[in-house]
Amino acid sequence: QKEVEQNSGPLSVPEGAIASLNCTYSDRGSQSFFWYRQYSGKSPELIMFIYSNGDKEDGRFTAQLNKASQYVSLLIRDSQPSDSATYLCAVTPLGNQGGKLIFGQGTELSVKP
Amino acid sequence: EAGVTQSPTHLIKTRGQQATLRCSPISGHTSVYWYQQALGLGLQFLLWYDEGEERNRGNFPPRFSGRQFPNYSSELNVNALELEDSALYLCASSWGERLPPYNEQFFGPGTRLTVL
Repeated sequence: QKEVEQNSGPLSVPEGAIASLNCTYSDRGSQSFFWYRQYSGKSPELIMFIYSNGDKEDGRFTAQLNKASQYVSLLIRDSQPSDSATYLCAVTPLGNQGGKLIFGQGTELSVKP
Repeated sequence: EAGVTQSPTHLIKTRGQQATLRCSPISGHTSVYWYQQALGLGLQFLLWYDEGEERNRGNFPPRFSGRQFPNYSSELNVNALELEDSALYLCASSWGERLPPYNEQFFGPGTRLTVL
């Protein structure tokens, strides 16, 4: 079992729709959860982070965390073609491994005009 | 505020050579992280430096090494280059805190290393 798992996609949604990206993790002690966006040929860009159970909203983005079920999700409302990118879920492990991020393989999102 | 900077943008080496990659963190950040993004393998953690010390390393051979300077900049050295070392090498920086919400990592543009 991979430490952080994401569907590779591609996930295709029409412009204006809600895109839902999911991520599961295996280490129950994981502390912080991050969503990055990576355009082709570019470096990852931090979208948002979450570390408490529940929802966290930032503009068109909402991150959801459920530690009991060990999943974190990212919702993108009113999706735009410019949102087309690979979305990376990252997790910080517990304890003395703190500092490093463990990444999922990423979900490719395509928003069609 | 200036972001994380990396140099060079591209680096071409031949098998067996050594490569040196450089990173300057965001002003005020004390932690620097190195990641490798090879085609089809995703982002893999390489090294973490904080306050000049190596704090953690990933599952990479010892020929991957680095250091952090007093100004918090860092360099990554890869010795005895192999073909499979060809990848995008990303540097990230953070405040150095292990606990949220101060442990966000911000990435630089990366160095594309090609080993021929």
